[in-house]
Amino acid sequence: NAGVTQTPKFQVLKTGQSMTLQCAQDMNHEYMSWYRQDPGMGLRLIHYSVGAGITDQGEVPNGYNVSRSTTEDFPLRLLSAAPSQTSVYFCASTLLRRASSPLHFGNGTRLTVT
Amino acid sequence: EDKVVQSPLSLVVHEGDTVTLNCSYEVTNFRSLLWYKQEKKAPTFLFMLTSSGIEKKSGRLSSILDKKELFSILNITATQTGDSAVYLCAGVTNSNSGYALNFGKGTSLLVTP
Repeated sequence: NAGVTQTPKFQVLKTGQSMTLQCAQDMNHEYMSWYRQDPGMGLRLIHYSVGAGITDQGEVPNGYNVSRSTTEDFPLRLLSAAPSQTSVYFCASTLLRRASSPLHFGNGTRLTVT
Repeated sequence: EDKVVQSPLSLVVHEGDTVTLNCSYEVTNFRSLLWYKQEKKAPTFLFMLTSSGIEKKSGRLSSILDKKELFSILNITATQTGDSAVYLCAGVTNSNSGYALNFGKGTSLLVTP
């Protein structure tokens, strides 16, 4: 029962470096999303996808890219990291075709940009 | 613009107390309301509410939705220190993509021995 798997758990980057946060789910969920969580700001949606080949922007998309080449994977790319991107990142997914399916979260990635 | 507001933002109680956490929402094309508990890791799912007046219950936790007043409460009875966490409420809507979710900022609950 893997659920939603995020890697890495922790990452430190220097300003300007790039990296990819990985997210995979094994529940055949159509919907996948990325959130960032900052103190006092709650969970804010970065990007989301309703199926392979389909992505869209959320509330705070700037500085991040996503792609969805398979149903299982939804990586989040930081092309040129900035200190403002220091945050905890959560990937989450759900089954759209079942109204009773809640959002399932990964364990998070704590990113620090120096 | 869809909006979810939780109150209070933080709360400190003694073990054994009963607490009520509030969530008001203004969302279009309402689909459901979700409650999550977040300790020092990922949010864990508590309840999904879709119908007014039907209480969901799990042990000492219960929740109810009022769709007319656009309001939900989460009750915790006989609180324990293990209930200390941030409780998140989210309104789910049917958008063009089929799904959109707005989180409140959360209520931080501290239960002291």
